[in-house]
Amino acid sequence: NAGVMQNPRHLVRRRGQEARLRCSPMKGHSHVYWYRQLPEEGLKFMVYLQKENIIDESGMPKERFSAEFPKEGPSILRIQQVVRGDSAAYFCASSHWRGGPYNEQFFGPGTRLTVL
Amino acid sequence: KNEVEQSPQNLTAQEGEFITINCSYSVGISALHWLQQHPGGGIVSLFMLSSGKKKHGRLIATINIQEKHSSLHITASHPRDSAVYICAVRSWEETSGSRLTFGEGTQLTVNP
Repeated sequence: NAGVMQNPRHLVRRRGQEARLRCSPMKGHSHVYWYRQLPEEGLKFMVYLQKENIIDESGMPKERFSAEFPKEGPSILRIQQVVRGDSAAYFCASSHWRGGPYNEQFFGPGTRLTVL
Repeated sequence: KNEVEQSPQNLTAQEGEFITINCSYSVGISALHWLQQHPGGGIVSLFMLSSGKKKHGRLIATINIQEKHSSLHITASHPRDSAVYICAVRSWEETSGSRLTFGEGTQLTVNP
């Protein structure tokens, strides 16, 4: 049973380009979370999605960032017109369902984005 | 003040020592996670707790809901335990109840 998959593992972009990060949740999981870890900082929540719905995007920067989790296929975190400050590790986690105290999140290996 | 505070920030130990990492939080929670992150690597979930104590191999995690405090213990530490250990909480609030709020992490180095 494969875990959470993320690709690419490493992504290099020049300023102004677009970055697309993909996350395939664990089999049977329908809830996806994106977190960002800036250099020398802790992890921060970005967005929480279910299939075809954004449930909580309170951690997303107001501009240039968007996320989706379509009915078919992986969740996508999209960053338009990247800037150097977007360089970070982006982690995806998935869970089986939302409710209750026993809903564990499982993390992917992360995508390390470097903006030149 | 962060909602999740960890101590110490850095910890160096000799192989075989008993290690304790502490986590205090200031919000009502539905669950607390202990995570492990190796250099350049991904994140592994070690424990998820809502009460009491859990044990897995040489790792033990405890939580005191009334005191809003959790500890991660490593018995008979080994150099391969060297990693960053992160405490994360999930709050009770309906609007934010699914997202995790993280501590800054504890960098553990175990020397042979």
